[in-house]
Amino acid sequence: LAKTTQPISMDSYEGQEVNITCSHNNIATNDYITWYQQFPSQGPRFIIQGYKTKVTNEVASLFIPADRKSSTLSLPRVSLSDTAVYYCLTTRGDKIIFGKGTRLHILP
Amino acid sequence: GAGVSQTPSNKVTEKGKYVELRCDPISGHTALYWYRQSLGQGPEFLIYFQGTGAADDSGLPNDRFFAVRPEGSVSTLKIQRTERGDSAVYLCASSLIGGPGNTIYFGEGSWLTVV
Repeated sequence: LAKTTQPISMDSYEGQEVNITCSHNNIATNDYITWYQQFPSQGPRFIIQGYKTKVTNEVASLFIPADRKSSTLSLPRVSLSDTAVYYCLTTRGDKIIFGKGTRLHILP
Repeated sequence: GAGVSQTPSNKVTEKGKYVELRCDPISGHTALYWYRQSLGQGPEFLIYFQGTGAADDSGLPNDRFFAVRPEGSVSTLKIQRTERGDSAVYLCASSLIGGPGNTIYFGEGSWLTVV
């Protein structure tokens, strides 16, 4: 599975759009890109997954360029409750390997 | 069930004791995973079951750690001769294996403290 690199931490303000970019230069043809969110004292929660181009659900959007070597998670109009750690992963239908994630802190 | 269920939610044990942590996956999910998470770190892979068999146990740190899934549903993670360094949150997850793009669902974890 491809190693992923993402910012260690980010701050933003309520109501802003937040974009977290992840690089995965060695992504394989069969790998999907998946993002998880984790609140303190809870297990990781699936947010969104994509293979290429753009995916949108009720929570977020995921932008994947044609070369798939990076991806950007976009959270529209964040609130204080979006403060969490966000993990970018490449997945291939078996185990998933987590990095350290991005600690997103939303300020009032 | 509605989600992945783990018991106990909290466990305090003395160094050297034996501990069992239980995981009930989402009904019908064929794959089950155990992870360990220390404070400030991402979850660390331990073992992955496909059905009853361990498909990948490369993350188990040593032979004090063992996991079973005898009927392909509930799984138990067993830790012998616990050490203070085993203190962590042990996360269980499950998924319905269907090829690439598989979504894995996590439980809330079992918090283990070895004193």
